[in-house]
Amino acid sequence: GAVVSQHPSWVICKSGTSVKIECRSLDFQATTMFWYRQFPKQSLMLMATSNEGSKATYEQGVEKDKFLINHASLTLSTLTVTSAHPEDSSFYICSATGPIQSYTFGSGTRLTVV
Amino acid sequence: AQKVTQAQTEISVVEKEDVTLDCVYETRDTTYYLFWYKQPPSGELVFLIRRNSFDEQNEISGRYSWNFQKSTSSFNFTITASQVVDSAVYFCALSEGGSSNTGKLIFGQGTTLQVKP
Repeated sequence: GAVVSQHPSWVICKSGTSVKIECRSLDFQATTMFWYRQFPKQSLMLMATSNEGSKATYEQGVEKDKFLINHASLTLSTLTVTSAHPEDSSFYICSATGPIQSYTFGSGTRLTVV
Repeated sequence: AQKVTQAQTEISVVEKEDVTLDCVYETRDTTYYLFWYKQPPSGELVFLIRRNSFDEQNEISGRYSWNFQKSTSSFNFTITASQVVDSAVYFCALSEGGSSNTGKLIFGQGTTLQVKP
């Protein structure tokens, strides 16, 4: 079945630094990538949607200059949290879809900013 | 606007009991897809089922069953003879735009199920 590999699974970084999260589709072409954020005991909230080769579309309230999304190839999308602050600490998870593949989620990244 | 409501925040049952998780949705699309996911403490999302709006047949998969009723906009999930390993957060989701793979997923608030031995 379709698999999306997400790395790192957890990361601790200092306030003010940037963190990059990668999602790779291993056996299908990820034409669309969705990035979600989940705070403790809350639901998944969509941050942005990206189509391969295009600029990402951000949801209302999500700072595009802070959360940089790159989807330059059909197998790789990255989310970079720039100048991270403690309030950015959260669980980030990607979901990829392909021409025939429905939503395939990565395993998530737990980000802690200290 | 699309919306998914899971009114039960937390449910606690004793092993072997049956439990039903409720999901009510709102959409203007005539074609749409509904999903259920399981999120264990490790965090990953485990796909359980996808159902399109034209298929109202109930589905059974082992101890899991789903009841889809368009008349009440509900897509409820029942676990029969629950087990401790069923303890997790369960999410119901709706895809926007009538597609099974291009629209964004709208998630409900989630229901935390605790199955006690």
